[in-house]
Amino acid sequence: RKEVEQDPGPFNVPEGATVAFNCTYSNSASQSFFWYRQDCRKEPKLLMSVYSSGNEDGRFTAQLNRASQYISLLIRDSKLSDSATYLCVVTEFSGGYNKLIFGAGTRLAVHP
Amino acid sequence: DAGVIQSPRHEVTEMGQEVTLRCKPISGHNSLFWYRQTMMRGLELLIYFNNNVPIDDSGMPEDRFSAKMPNASFSTLKIQPSEPRDSAVYFCASSFSRDLAGGNTGELFFGEGSRLTVL
Repeated sequence: RKEVEQDPGPFNVPEGATVAFNCTYSNSASQSFFWYRQDCRKEPKLLMSVYSSGNEDGRFTAQLNRASQYISLLIRDSKLSDSATYLCVVTEFSGGYNKLIFGAGTRLAVHP
Repeated sequence: DAGVIQSPRHEVTEMGQEVTLRCKPISGHNSLFWYRQTMMRGLELLIYFNNNVPIDDSGMPEDRFSAKMPNASFSTLKIQPSEPRDSAVYFCASSFSRDLAGGNTGELFFGEGSRLTVL
């Protein structure tokens, strides 16, 4: 079983739609969670951290369910510029340090 | 401010040749990571340096791969000899960690990557 699993997509949605991505992780000891965004042929960049109580940043809402080992990202009012791959990331304490484990990503395509 | 700088951006080489990828981390960052990204395997951590010392090289595929960090502002990843299956995008990333166990806050700053094609 992969450490971090995501639906690869692609999710094809019209502008203005609401879309949600899910991610599951296998290590119950994971402490920190993040969403990164990667545009086509570009480097990954931090989108937002995910806090236990859930958190929002503009049109983006992240949720964490520790009991189910599940993380989600909700995007409201999708824009064309939201088209990208969204990477779910969890930390795992391994080899004496907190290591980031990246999911394979979910691809989002927003069309006019 | 300059971000993480990688070179070359693109490299096409023939099987058996030596490849050297270079990285300049963000000034003040004490953690440096080399990742490899392919369609099949996603982003894989190859090696992690903290304060120029290799901490975790368990992701280095085999002896053909080596990495060095001679000082806080420079690192290299070398593949010798290269093989077609090494074709991938290699990313360098840096961050600041208060201590080793802290790892990082989750914000890694990635370079633009080096796209390697081995024929």
